[in-house]
Amino acid sequence: SQKIEQNSEALNIQEGKTATLTCNYTNYSPAYLQWYRQDPGRGPVFLLLIRENEKEKRKERLKVTFDTTLKQSLFHITASQPADSATYLCALDPFSGGYNKLIFGAGTRLAVHP
Amino acid sequence: SQTIHQWPATLVQPVGSPLSLECTVEGTSNPNLYWYRQAAGRGLQLLFYSVGIGQISSEVPQNLSASRPQDRQFILSSKKLLLSDSGFYLCAWNDRAGNTIYFGEGSWLTVV
Repeated sequence: SQKIEQNSEALNIQEGKTATLTCNYTNYSPAYLQWYRQDPGRGPVFLLLIRENEKEKRKERLKVTFDTTLKQSLFHITASQPADSATYLCALDPFSGGYNKLIFGAGTRLAVHP
Repeated sequence: SQTIHQWPATLVQPVGSPLSLECTVEGTSNPNLYWYRQAAGRGLQLLFYSVGIGQISSEVPQNLSASRPQDRQFILSSKKLLLSDSGFYLCAWNDRAGNTIYFGEGSWLTVV
């Protein structure tokens, strides 16, 4: 079956360290993959989009990689801060177009400790 | 700039009662509109999407329905709520050329 998997266990790291979150998918061949941040009780907020022909994408302290062979995306936050604590969701459009019916992973909760 | 409004933010409804969640988007025209549901510890599940007035597609069979009476208005309804309808409901939009989806603040529904 088609699915997106993110580590369901919370990731606890020390402030200043690099957080790395993983998103694996099966049976899809998406043209792009997206990462969102969700704070408790709030709607997700878009962070980054990476296309299949891009190996890496950066935005300030965020970095995303996309390996279409491994069917995996890694999301990195460097010099992490307590304000980075949130749940991070990966999403892809299995049809790579049309109505952008994004399929989301369950998310990984990140806790950055001072 | 574009904004999305969703209400009510929280509601507690008895089993068998009706439901109406409303969503409006401002600052854009002819958007794609979506309703998602998020159960505790679960991913976002796409319930409905719409590409235009009166055009609704359902992703999963359920006790819910959606309507789009105006270009930038999307409504999620139920005639009789079930306990399993409890969850966090999110309205979202994007434009025809975009890949990114923008979410509202969500509505917490508790069916008791």
